[in-house]
Amino acid sequence: DTTVKQNPRYKLARVGKPVNLICSQTMNHDTMYWYQKKPNQAPKLLLFYYDKILNREADTFEKFQSSRPNNSFCSLYIGSAGLEYSAMYLCASSRVGNYEQYFGPGTRLTVL
Amino acid sequence: GEQVEQRPPHLSVREGDSAVITCTYTDPNSYYFFWYKQEPGASLQLLMKVFSSTEINEGQGFTVLLNKKDKRLSLNLTAAHPGDSAAYFCAVSAWTEGADRLTFGKGTQLIIQP
Repeated sequence: DTTVKQNPRYKLARVGKPVNLICSQTMNHDTMYWYQKKPNQAPKLLLFYYDKILNREADTFEKFQSSRPNNSFCSLYIGSAGLEYSAMYLCASSRVGNYEQYFGPGTRLTVL
Repeated sequence: GEQVEQRPPHLSVREGDSAVITCTYTDPNSYYFFWYKQEPGASLQLLMKVFSSTEINEGQGFTVLLNKKDKRLSLNLTAAHPGDSAAYFCAVSAWTEGADRLTFGKGTQLIIQP
């Protein structure tokens, strides 16, 4: 099973409110990623966990947080949503040395 | 950091015709190259991958060409059919800032007309 699952598929949030998105995989992959995708733009890497080590991209460091309570689950947390956070959020996972990333269906976040 | 440019952003061809999508990248140390297909409402699915310089990979009606000298990657569809209608993304893997990172192109929306 090469499935990456994301919940919810659609999320509506108010400006200033927190948002928590969930991703899971059962492939025992050691690395899990979060990307942000806006229309007509490339998926943009936000952060990734290699095992228990979190790496956040420099240009989005303060905007997103994440946790990985176990190998299978990874969350993406926005403390205070702004209009600019409206996007599709894609979760992916990979096994070290394989380089192929398996993607979930995405969560479409709309901030009003 | 790595920059990937993908062309064209939109492509419409007739069923049975060929189609070509091209990506250029900037980091000469990039080492893995991927094409992903995304159908409406679905995940990004790995379509093809290529690792070696000037490698040709074929499968599912597609051919992938990699030219590391020119830093160019292309996806060639030889005979389009309606099921090929989707968004296609190239992705380039490189070791950057202490980690392996995947940089995507902006995507190509491919429409196959009957």
